[in-house]
Amino acid sequence: QQPVQSPQAVILREGEDAVINCSSSKALYSVHWYRQKHGEAPVFLMILLKGGEQKGHEKISASFNEKKQQSSLYLTASQLSYSGTYFCGTASTGTASKLTFGTGTRLQVTL
Amino acid sequence: DSGVTQTPKHLITATGQRVTLRCSPRSGDLSVYWYQQSLDQGLQFLIQYYNGEERAKGNILERFSAQQFPDLHSELNLSSLELGDSALYFCASSVLAGGQGGELFFGEGSRLTVL
Repeated sequence: QQPVQSPQAVILREGEDAVINCSSSKALYSVHWYRQKHGEAPVFLMILLKGGEQKGHEKISASFNEKKQQSSLYLTASQLSYSGTYFCGTASTGTASKLTFGTGTRLQVTL
Repeated sequence: DSGVTQTPKHLITATGQRVTLRCSPRSGDLSVYWYQQSLDQGLQFLIQYYNGEERAKGNILERFSAQQFPDLHSELNLSSLELGDSALYFCASSVLAGGQGGELFFGEGSRLTVL
């Protein structure tokens, strides 16, 4: 089943922070985050595994609450380059190959 | 450049026709995934192969089929095409299979237009 992302869209000024949420109705083994710029392929940001630690990449970090079957992506001090559509992907087990993506959150960063 | 090659990049065909999309994964990657992305929509998982074997199936129509060959390239066959099949079809590859499988590397996609 497809994870649910919120918000669907957000507009930020450069330097502002944003949080994108991803929730699933199924128990999760891992959550994957990708960013897709307009007209391009999705690009990997990070993976969070069950029992793992919060991950971070420069000013983008994420958390994974296994009990609530939720993950959040935190974008700090946003830059113009952060604009794009963010997708979370979820896998229910470690051996299951099905990585199901949410409908995406469209982020626009303006000057 | 992700290292994943998809051909053709663009394809225009008529309803009822059949097309084949091809994907060459990154060198060393054993898993190949196919996703469909309609206009302004999310990524719909179609099917996944690992080292030649089907590993997982998503919402793939019966008119669609895929396979992974011994050299690890994969083909997605779409038949009896309908207008609603118009979409961007992405192939992705990874080293491992499964939810712990690490980063997916996406190709640039094959844009299919059915007229």
